[in-house]
Amino acid sequence: GESVGLHLPTLSVQEGDNSIINCAYSNSASDYFIWYKQESGKGPQFIIDIRSNMDKRQGQRVTVLLNKTVKHLSLQIAATQPGDSAVYFCAERGGGGADGLTFGKGTHLIIQP
Amino acid sequence: EPEVTQTPSHQVTQMGQEVILRCVPISNHLYFYWYRQILGQKVEFLVSFYNNEISEKSEIFDDQFSVERPDGSNFTLKIRSTKLEDSAMYFCASSAAIASYNEQFFGPGTRLTVL
Repeated sequence: GESVGLHLPTLSVQEGDNSIINCAYSNSASDYFIWYKQESGKGPQFIIDIRSNMDKRQGQRVTVLLNKTVKHLSLQIAATQPGDSAVYFCAERGGGGADGLTFGKGTHLIIQP
Repeated sequence: EPEVTQTPSHQVTQMGQEVILRCVPISNHLYFYWYRQILGQKVEFLVSFYNNEISEKSEIFDDQFSVERPDGSNFTLKIRSTKLEDSAMYFCASSAAIASYNEQFFGPGTRLTVL
């Protein structure tokens, strides 16, 4: 079936460095993509989203890149801080009026001091 | 800042018992969702709800599950006869608009443990 997945289960970066978290998706009909952050014991927290008619979107310290040709999504976090430690999920909405999001498996971002 | 709330935070039940998980979505939101996350796994969509009816459901959402908006503020998920494999975190979410590019805001979750 259709799925959204992540390339790496754990990513360790030095504090202050930039982080890049990657995601591959398989549903070419997906029209909306979101990155969520989940801290231990909490629900997913919205970080940034992007529509399928865009290839880049920037927020505060975060950038999402969408490459529809290879069905790849990435999240870039600039100047990583200790508070960025969490599990990051990409999610997609399947298009055609679908409501539910399909989540990837998550990447655990670890910040080294 | 408005937020989605869920009660209880942790529910322990015996296999075969009925449970009701409760959610209060953000007040001006129109779309409501339930997701679950089995420990260590990804978040999975269960159901979406709009205008007092289910608008979409996944394969997980079988006849043992039901949702209801009993009043203007609560949104509930009922599992009629719980199974061991229903043990998971259950997240409620809500969004502002109809089938558009709108952020789904998630609650803190209810941890359901089925013994």
